[in-house]
Amino acid sequence: GESVGLHLPTLSVQEGDNSIINCAYSNSASDYFIWYKQESGKGPQFIIDIRSNMDKRQGQRVTVLLNKTVKHLSLQIAATQPGDSAVYFCAETSSNFGNEKLTFGTGTRLTIIP
Amino acid sequence: DARVTQTPRHKVTEMGQEVTMRCQPILGHNTVFWYRQTMMQGLELLAYFRNRAPLDDSGMPKDRFSAEMPDATLATLKIQPSEPRDSAVYFCASGTTLDRTDTQYFGPGTRLTVL
Repeated sequence: GESVGLHLPTLSVQEGDNSIINCAYSNSASDYFIWYKQESGKGPQFIIDIRSNMDKRQGQRVTVLLNKTVKHLSLQIAATQPGDSAVYFCAETSSNFGNEKLTFGTGTRLTIIP
Repeated sequence: DARVTQTPRHKVTEMGQEVTMRCQPILGHNTVFWYRQTMMQGLELLAYFRNRAPLDDSGMPKDRFSAEMPDATLATLKIQPSEPRDSAVYFCASGTTLDRTDTQYFGPGTRLTVL
């Protein structure tokens, strides 16, 4: 996806509820996708990744879904906590284990309401 | 707990001054990236290195920016002369091609303000 800066999509979720953050990517050749979490004043922190030969991957409280047909990626966070409040970025690369440059999406600001 | 480190964390300077940002990648990682983050452009790649050799610096203004890896444990990004439009957060990230992963790990960033 393209990074467009100013107009960051926002999502507000009640604490304890599940949240879904979506991302559309542009390159049909991309074979590796990462979700990062960025808290204020910190660098992006790796959350979970998925390769193009998979359509779902689960971690602790997080699930990433990949739909290659429509070039769509989503991050599901279960039972959200106040510490989940951050900006979430998806990133893509066509790398095939070559550790090539990432292209980042715009980011979504997630706010957890106590 | 292996992590990418960056210095300085904050830098305020005047237009025209030289700025040097440093990054220590995770030990054993052979790929180092420099990204810049602004409100307007989001996260964008400036340059990256593999085994200390530059692979792509097309995102970097060549007339004033330079990136080097003097050794495997140090990457530097220099701006000379700096301009107000260079104000941003500069992130270093590292990864490896040696364990069949494409994950990149980011440092805490250097927040640069050019007055």
